[in-house]
Amino acid sequence: GEDVEQSLFLSVREGDSSVINCTYTDSSSTYLYWYKQEPGAGLQLLTYIFSNMDMKQDQRLTVLLNKKDKHLSLRIADTQTGDSAIYFCAESGNNNDMRFGAGTRLTVKP
Amino acid sequence: EAQVTQNPRYLITVTGKKLTVTCSQNMNHEYMSWYRQDPGLGLRQIYYSMNVEVTDKGDVPEGYKVSRKEKRNFPLILESPSPNQTSLYFCASSLYRLSTDTQYFGPGTRLTVL
Repeated sequence: GEDVEQSLFLSVREGDSSVINCTYTDSSSTYLYWYKQEPGAGLQLLTYIFSNMDMKQDQRLTVLLNKKDKHLSLRIADTQTGDSAIYFCAESGNNNDMRFGAGTRLTVKP
Repeated sequence: EAQVTQNPRYLITVTGKKLTVTCSQNMNHEYMSWYRQDPGLGLRQIYYSMNVEVTDKGDVPEGYKVSRKEKRNFPLILESPSPNQTSLYFCASSLYRLSTDTQYFGPGTRLTVL
């Protein structure tokens, strides 16, 4: 089946930028998403990008999409301790199903 | 308050004993979905529903059933649970089709099958 892959761990210092990367295999993906999961909670949608866009910026978050390489990234500027969480990359296609990566655990050190 | 609720939040059961996890949303959303979350695998979609009486299989539907008789409710049914269904389950909903709307997640149900 189609896959979404991302590295499992990332550690950064407070104030630095974090970049979380994701690759996917489904060439018919329509939307790509980034979700945040804090301990003991459900998933919270951070941002999404339509497949015909290259970049989307929302305050401290920047999403880059390279559709040719099927590569998605999430950059968090000025990372804070409150950004520590698991970040999930996800994609959906025209048939309304959805696939998630395994999640990247971001640890922000003071 | 707009929300997705799931019950129970925690459940320990034994192999073969039928169980139902309820999911309800108060936002009049058409799209609802069930996921399971396992370490190292992320979330995998079990079933989804585009509207009342319309359900479709996700990536891992085996061993699960769902029904959508009313717009607000989307229960997940395990007719004969097995230990490999031990997992954290999330229900989610969005207003219309998945790709254009924010998907709201419930708080999760942690299921252990002995």
